[in-house]
Amino acid sequence: NAGVTQTPKFRVLKTGQSMTLLCAQDMNHEYMYWYRQDPGMGLRLIHYSVGEGTTAKGEVPDGYNVSRLKKQNFLLGLESAAPSQTSVYFCASNGQGAGYQPQHFGDGTRLSIL
Amino acid sequence: GDSVTQMEGPVTLSEEAFLTINCTYTATGYPSLFWYVQYPGEGLQLLLKATKADDKGSNKGFEATYRKETTSFHLEKGSVQVSDSAVYFCALSRGGGNKLTFGTGTQLKVEL
Repeated sequence: NAGVTQTPKFRVLKTGQSMTLLCAQDMNHEYMYWYRQDPGMGLRLIHYSVGEGTTAKGEVPDGYNVSRLKKQNFLLGLESAAPSQTSVYFCASNGQGAGYQPQHFGDGTRLSIL
Repeated sequence: GDSVTQMEGPVTLSEEAFLTINCTYTATGYPSLFWYVQYPGEGLQLLLKATKADDKGSNKGFEATYRKETTSFHLEKGSVQVSDSAVYFCALSRGGGNKLTFGTGTQLKVEL
């Protein structure tokens, strides 16, 4: 019963390096989201997807790219990491159906940019 | 745009004390309202929800009532336990894509 799995859990990067965060869900959910969590600011939506092959910008998309080539996976990329991107990143997913479908969250990826 | 404001923490209570965490929102139309909880080292979990005015969401002894006239969704619990120590987020959803707008979170610490 994995739910939403994020890889890696921790990572330290140097400024200018690139990396990809992976999110995988096994619930056949249509919608997937990437958030960042910073002290005193709650969670802010970076990008989201409403289905395989689709992506859309959220509240804070600059400096990030995403891809949803497979329904179960949602990748978040940092092409040139900056210290301002030091944060905890959460992936979430939810399905479609009658009524509100709650978002299921992964346990987060703690990313530090030096 | 949409926004959620919740009381700053940390809130420190003794076990069995009464809990209130205030939450107010700004949004056009009729958003759905939620409380999520985050335990240390984990992702967020849905605690309760309300989808229309005057609805009361409840779960695990926690309650919140959707008050459109005061644009509020305050979280309450009659008797907190040490195991309730966590960060609580108020959130709203409006429009397509099921996107959530979160408040900044309120840390609750319950002591024996």
